[in-house]
Amino acid sequence: DQQVKQNSPSLSVQEGRISILNCDYTNSMFDYFLWYKKYPAEGPTFLISISSIKDKNEDGRFTVFLNKSAKHLSLHIVPSQPGDSAVYFCAASASGNNRKLIWGLGTSLAVNP
Amino acid sequence: NAGVTQTPKFQVLKTGQSMTLQCAQDMNHNSMYWYRQDPGMGLRLIYYSASEGTTDKGEVPNGYNVSRLNKREFSLRLESAAPSQTSVYFCASSLQGTLETQYFGPGTRLLVL
Repeated sequence: DQQVKQNSPSLSVQEGRISILNCDYTNSMFDYFLWYKKYPAEGPTFLISISSIKDKNEDGRFTVFLNKSAKHLSLHIVPSQPGDSAVYFCAASASGNNRKLIWGLGTSLAVNP
Repeated sequence: NAGVTQTPKFQVLKTGQSMTLQCAQDMNHNSMYWYRQDPGMGLRLIYYSASEGTTDKGEVPNGYNVSRLNKREFSLRLESAAPSQTSVYFCASSLQGTLETQYFGPGTRLLVL
């Protein structure tokens, strides 16, 4: 039972355009969400996070939006650059249960020059 | 400042063999984690150590043991390797718990024949 779902395995975007990566979750107890980026043959690296008390968090070209009623979050990358080509993982945690992170399957983003 | 290092990078085992995956961090982090990543699956937590001297099971602990040797080092042992343990293993660390950013090592690719 996948509690964190990234329904698009891959996404292709033109350089300079907006990339929108989506993530849905089923556990209403999740109150902290993160996005990690992963290049081939490397470990994931943290990108941005959001607490459930917010609906938006921005860091440079990256913005995460949280819609609690829809149990949905999205990562916007504007403008997209070829170096953004990577696999993006959504992860979530809930207070209690030692706050273990539950990960989505990832979305592979290709930004074409 | 190397961050999180993992050895070996790649290993081939025969069914029934044992091995230990090594992980070390030089960021003075309290919490450390072992994950596995399989095709079509997100990262799944095997074991974690919230602080030196403590270890706890994650989602998929069966077939593994861990040792938090000291604050820097967290090893993962496969006592009797099985083909189902073929995977990429990632070690990660965070300052304290999962609300802090997790920093990942480059991974160990394990093939069990």
